[in-house]
Amino acid sequence: GESVGLHLPTLSVQEGDNSIINCAYSNSASDYFIWYKQESGKGPQFIIDIRSNMDKRQGQRVTVLLNKTVKHLSLQIAATQPGDSAVYFCAEILYNTDKLIFGTGTRLQVFP
Amino acid sequence: EPEVTQTPSHQVTQMGQEVILRCVPISNHLYFYWYRQILGQKVEFLVSFYNNEISEKSEIFDDQFSVERPDGSNFTLKIRSTKLEDSAMYFCASSVSASGANVLTFGAGSRLTVL
Repeated sequence: GESVGLHLPTLSVQEGDNSIINCAYSNSASDYFIWYKQESGKGPQFIIDIRSNMDKRQGQRVTVLLNKTVKHLSLQIAATQPGDSAVYFCAEILYNTDKLIFGTGTRLQVFP
Repeated sequence: EPEVTQTPSHQVTQMGQEVILRCVPISNHLYFYWYRQILGQKVEFLVSFYNNEISEKSEIFDDQFSVERPDGSNFTLKIRSTKLEDSAMYFCASSVSASGANVLTFGAGSRLTVL
């Protein structure tokens, strides 16, 4: 990857397995959370979002879980495919602001 | 699918030179943003822009930075006198409404290398 990756935590999974990527956020005033996927040479791409009044949201092959008690967010990818290989960022938005605060990122590597 | 386009994809400049990075947001979007990502680090917020003015900016966005929407389609980021530490990927993003209510669409980025 050309824009991220030198010191990122890495998750390696076998194709077809489920992946779980975790994120700890910092601010209890955050009320909106988003997962982004970033492939090499591209900008962040929206995957799924969740508001603070929810604890789970499902998309196509992806599920986001929010635990406000411990300020933890996770992204579950079912039946991981080679095309899922990328860096995954969680992002939070503080209540009444207009900026995304991105986490460090996790590199997902999918092996055939 | 509509996309945010950015030019140039890569620019190399000498320290102290002015740089302008250009973005064409999605046509019906009203909110515009610049973010940057230094190699190996997080994506960081720089500035948000709405209704022809800056609505929010970070501490990174100092007097060396400015943004402009010179016409109905372009959104530019200018760095007046580049420093080595300005080397990064710069991402433009846009959304229909404010970040808290709607999803941002990011461009592919402009890589700036300051020598």
